[in-house]
Amino acid sequence: DTAVSQTPKYLVTQMGNDKSIKCEQNLGHDTMYWYKQDSKKFLKIMFSYNNKELIINETVPNRFSPKSPDKAHLNLHINSLELGDSAVYFCASTEGQGLYEQYFGPGTRLTVT
Amino acid sequence: SQQGEEDPQALSIQEGENATMNCSYKTSINNLQWYRQNSGRGLVHLILIRSNEREKHSGRLRVTLDTSKKSSSLLITASRAADTASYFCATDAVQAGTALIFGKGTTLSVSS
Repeated sequence: DTAVSQTPKYLVTQMGNDKSIKCEQNLGHDTMYWYKQDSKKFLKIMFSYNNKELIINETVPNRFSPKSPDKAHLNLHINSLELGDSAVYFCASTEGQGLYEQYFGPGTRLTVT
Repeated sequence: SQQGEEDPQALSIQEGENATMNCSYKTSINNLQWYRQNSGRGLVHLILIRSNEREKHSGRLRVTLDTSKKSSSLLITASRAADTASYFCATDAVQAGTALIFGKGTTLSVSS
């Protein structure tokens, strides 16, 4: 069984478009995250949700908007895509409020042309 | 923002040898974790060590933590080709809430 799943795995789109990435976890975890990994493999937190409530919102352009319809899902909407948005986006989840291991999805490779 | 730094950035060894990776961080932590990332895949949790622990083992993995030096090391003994991957340390700095702060990673290549 897939613990944390993301769709799509690959996303190629043009500048200016709006796209969404979906994430689902079947672990019963309370906290979910979005991370961005750049071309140099540097991973940085973008957002954190606990029980559908936004906990962390790092310095991310407001073109990025997370949405959590329930605690098992955390989707990422990106408006007006830019070249610099090209990266691999990882969803992750953990139990409780954190301080435990995080389970990562397989990643979504976004390429903006 | 606080960030872990792994050393070395890249490491190439032969199968059977040991691999040691180091991580330094800047501020107080609750725990430190190590993750592995195979090429094109998501991160997999390897081991978590809490701030009041000094050493932890899991199979061929040995992690140490020195909070006075704000550093940790990951030792992989008797390495295998399948250990080829990038290894990241991550800290949940007290000030950072529940998010993990990742280092830049060490790329390990194990040749047979």
